[in-house]
Amino acid sequence: GAGVSQSPRYKVAKRGQDVALRCDPISGHVSLFWYQQALGQGPEFLTYFQNEAQLDKSGLPSDRFFAERPEGSVSTLKIQRTQQEDSAVYLCASSRWTGGLSPLHFGNGTRLTVT
Amino acid sequence: AQSVTQLGSHVSVSEGALVLLRCNYSSSVPPYLFWYVQYPNQGLQLLLKYTTGATLVKGINGFEAEFKKSETSFHLTKPSAHMSDAAEYFCAVSDRNGSQGNLIFGKGTKLSVKP
Repeated sequence: GAGVSQSPRYKVAKRGQDVALRCDPISGHVSLFWYQQALGQGPEFLTYFQNEAQLDKSGLPSDRFFAERPEGSVSTLKIQRTQQEDSAVYLCASSRWTGGLSPLHFGNGTRLTVT
Repeated sequence: AQSVTQLGSHVSVSEGALVLLRCNYSSSVPPYLFWYVQYPNQGLQLLLKYTTGATLVKGINGFEAEFKKSETSFHLTKPSAHMSDAAEYFCAVSDRNGSQGNLIFGKGTKLSVKP
């Protein structure tokens, strides 16, 4: 079956531009996560949705970052007024249930480069 | 707070040799433990996980890991490396008492396999 799909795969933005990154989770998955992976680092948690509810946004680095999942399926991560330090791979993951026993399925990520 | 330490950012082995990737965690209670593999320009794929029960867990592609509570470790091993094992490997923990299932990742170990 289809896995987690992210688009675009690559995005180049000039500093100050706004960007929107899309995530299509596996159908029926309740939980959805966004992670940021800087070069040479492990993924770092940004935000978590349970269905359409954003239950945890403690990892968002600034108020320029905004995420939504209005119908409990597709999610969008928006970054306003991009800065060079925003350059990273943004990973989306979904899981069938909530809690640590439900494995996370990751997309291939969107590589954002801010010039 | 939970944390994960992966010793060695880069490990190089010869084809057919033992693979040993080290992971230590810090947590007030034993967490759920995971190993993920990431091939270039791809998302993360679950190799194996420990949640409860037998402390030696077997995963895909011949990998296994042993949970040692006394050492707070979850090292990943494979008896005989294959060229296709070349990738980056991430150890991760999840709060056993958490409701989200969010993962905290180590910084990763890049495995190179020499012919």
